[in-house]
Amino acid sequence: RKEVEQDPGPFNVPEGATVAFNCTYSNSASQSFFWYRQDCRKEPKLLMSVYSSGNEDGRFTAQLNRASQYISLLIRDSKLSDSATYLCVVNINNTNAGKSTFGDGTTLTVKP
Amino acid sequence: DAGVTQSPTHLIKTRGQQVTLRCSPISGHKSVSWYQQVLGQGPQFIFQYYEKEERGRGNFPDRFSARQFPNYSSELNVNALLLGDSALYLCASSLTLAGDKGKNIQYFGAGTRLSVL
Repeated sequence: RKEVEQDPGPFNVPEGATVAFNCTYSNSASQSFFWYRQDCRKEPKLLMSVYSSGNEDGRFTAQLNRASQYISLLIRDSKLSDSATYLCVVNINNTNAGKSTFGDGTTLTVKP
Repeated sequence: DAGVTQSPTHLIKTRGQQVTLRCSPISGHKSVSWYQQVLGQGPQFIFQYYEKEERGRGNFPDRFSARQFPNYSSELNVNALLLGDSALYLCASSLTLAGDKGKNIQYFGAGTRLSVL
């Protein structure tokens, strides 16, 4: 079993749709959580950190459920430019921030 | 400000050869991590260096080695290349190791795409 698991998709949605991605992690000692976005053949870019209280950034909302060991990303009012692969990232220990474990990503395609 | 820079952008090698990839972190960042990303998968952690010391190593063979220089730039070396080493190699830098919000966020370079024939 992978340490961080994501539904690979693809998710194909029309513009304006709301879409949600989930990610589960296996190590209960995990402390830091992030969503990164990766466009085709480009580097991953930070979309947002995920905090225990949940957090929102415009059309994007991230939530963390420590008891069930999953994090989620909700995208409202999808835009064509949201088409990308979304990577769930988990750090085991804040003092080793560079050692991140990535999921294999969920691919989103937003269509006109 | 310049982001994380990696060189070269593309590289073609043959089996058995050796390769050196280079990374310059964001100015002021002391932590550099290396990742391998195979097509269709997420990045896999190879090494982390902080203040010129190795702070972590992923599940990669001894053919992979790295180092960090006094200016915090880093090199990743891979010896005796195999076909399976073909991948995108990503370098990421962060300000610190510590867990203060924002300081442990990793910023990635554009990567080096290595093809082993």
